[in-house]
Amino acid sequence: ESVLTQSPGTLSLSPGERATLSCRASQSVSASYLAWYQQKPGQAPRLLIYGASSRATGIPDRFSGSGSGTDFTLTISRLEPEDFALYYCHQYDISPGTFGGGTKVEIK
Amino acid sequence: EVQLVESGGGFVQPGRSLRLSCAASGFSFHDYAMHWVRQAPGKGLEWVSGINWKSGGIGYADSVRGRFTISRDNAENSLYLQMNSLKIEDTAMYYCAKTPSPYSSGWFFDYWGQGTLVTVSS
Repeated sequence: ESVLTQSPGTLSLSPGERATLSCRASQSVSASYLAWYQQKPGQAPRLLIYGASSRATGIPDRFSGSGSGTDFTLTISRLEPEDFALYYCHQYDISPGTFGGGTKVEIK
Repeated sequence: EVQLVESGGGFVQPGRSLRLSCAASGFSFHDYAMHWVRQAPGKGLEWVSGINWKSGGIGYADSVRGRFTISRDNAENSLYLQMNSLKIEDTAMYYCAKTPSPYSSGWFFDYWGQGTLVTVSS
């Protein structure tokens, strides 16, 4: 099983600032089979990024993903009020698919 | 619009059974693999089980294998999870999730339902 470690656990930022979230895998993720999801309190997760860098339908271009192998990054270029939420990475290369522990982006 | 609506959750004692359902609409259900993912209170996401478009390619997390059974009825546009011998650690919100592929492994989840809460307690 591939373990995903997300850092930091919590990111305290102000609206308009840039957020950089990290996801590190214990085994190399081939073909960049890495996704990112956003989850707000009381809501289901929402797909943001798949294939490490492809934005899902309807996702604003302030969200971008990058990385390969064992190191992946989600960047939110300028935080909007609605972006303060929990973010999870997910590798779907090695069965079973696994999720990271999450990064909370909170208002500073 | 894709919609996934889970039902069947509730309060149950350890050792008992529960059957979850997920009603799908807004897409050709029979063309896509489906999964169950759970989230314990205040915790992260855990994949539970997946099934491909023709009810093959079934997989389970080690934590539920032998106790849970996934199935689907393409005529009814529905996904199911039969949960037997429930344990306290099965307490979680259970989400139904769709993949953008007919195949169950090697894919992300492009749509999620709102979840149904299962509480296992004596």
